[in-house]
Amino acid sequence: QVQLVESGGGLVKPGGSLRLSCAASGFTFSDYYMTWFRQAPGKGLEWVSYISGSGDTIYYADSVKGRFTISRDNGKNSLYLQMNSLRGEDTAVYYCARGPLRFLKFWGQGTLVTVSS
Amino acid sequence: DIQMTQSPSSLSASVGDRVSITCQASQDISKDLNWYQQKPGKAPRLLIYAASNLEEGVPSRFSGSGSGTDFTFTISSLQPEDIATYYCQQYDYFFTFGGGTKVEIK
Repeated sequence: QVQLVESGGGLVKPGGSLRLSCAASGFTFSDYYMTWFRQAPGKGLEWVSYISGSGDTIYYADSVKGRFTISRDNGKNSLYLQMNSLRGEDTAVYYCARGPLRFLKFWGQGTLVTVSS
Repeated sequence: DIQMTQSPSSLSASVGDRVSITCQASQDISKDLNWYQQKPGKAPRLLIYAASNLEEGVPSRFSGSGSGTDFTFTISSLQPEDIATYYCQQYDYFFTFGGGTKVEIK
């Protein structure tokens, strides 16, 4: 069965960096687009970024462009989100989700990132 | 960017009631709209895809309709386990979610 497990969240100071991981299993990882979403405490859902199966197509939300980098290692069945220059408004639970993009059925359980001094 | 306006932001209804939530897109998105259910501390769960298609395993009391800019999500007979927040999401141009509707039992 499809499983997505995020890790790497934690407490970081403003301006700091963090790298999130999403370990995938139960499907052929390289066949699918992968996405990152986030949800600030008590707030709604926000798309962050997505990457194609081969990694050659990447898009970011304007709110993270230039600060966050999405990547994947198909040999390790893993998705990553490198987050730099973190701000308080980046505090959220971060979810990875598996494509196809029009049909995001499979989500991880989320990992909490807290940006605070 | 495409904005999604979802209403109401919360509602309270009795078990067995028919409940409807609306979502309006800021431009024509055809049928590129999904509905999700989210319970506290959990990831979103896909209920309806492409505006009106019931995801496998989802109870038939959930339904969706609409196209273009106006969409409706309906629970035909509210059950206690339906207590959750519901979100619409467009995927016509990247992704945007509605603000959510928190459904409670009266």
